Amino acid sequence: SQQGEEDPQALSIQEGENATMNCSYKTSINNLQWYRQNSGRGLVHLILIRSNEREKHSGRLRVTLDTSKKSSSLLITASRAADTASYFCATDERGGFKTIFGAGTRLFVKA
Amino acid sequence: GAGVSQTPSNKVTEKGKYVELRCDPISGHTALYWYRQSLGQGPEFLIYFQGTGAADDSGLPNDRFFAVRPEGSVSTLKIQRTERGDSAVYLCASSPGGVTEAFFGQGTRLTVV
Repeated sequence: SQQGEEDPQALSIQEGENATMNCSYKTSINNLQWYRQNSGRGLVHLILIRSNEREKHSGRLRVTLDTSKKSSSLLITASRAADTASYFCATDERGGFKTIFGAGTRLFVKA
Repeated sequence: GAGVSQTPSNKVTEKGKYVELRCDPISGHTALYWYRQSLGQGPEFLIYFQGTGAADDSGLPNDRFFAVRPEGSVSTLKIQRTERGDSAVYLCASSPGGVTEAFFGQGTRLTVV
């Protein structure tokens, strides 16, 4: 079963607005990653945040991690139509090898 | 190559047949992962290789599924006696190992009819 659970399942916004997606997980982790997927094929890595980090930025992306609440958020600022995609959080379990993905948030940015 | 390559990109097979899906990881990447993704779902972990050995195969759904990586580079996912429920996109990813991002291929869309 998936460990990460994204919220909301789907999000529709206007170009220029900010998009916030949340992820919750269940077990202790080494790190958490966010990926993007267009058209149901290859995933593209966006950002990795380690368990001892609380916030990380990359361009228009801002990721937060709260290990006490076992949750993370991904903020995309000033969204563009090209940001339309599915976004997944993925966790690397502490002491394990596998990366577990959530079910994803489908973001639609209207031009 | 420049990225992770998966072949074929699409495969249609009849129920009960045997299929092989191939993954060419990025050169030098020691870690290799196989995932399966159904429509509207996130990727589901199948198996992880570190070098030639399967470090974690706990995601393989049953003994019809098997994967190899004999020389620590190319990997093949093998599915015996395919069932319609095996239809999905099979994704391969590789990484240099350690705490780092994984690079995904474009996947193989398997359809069992």
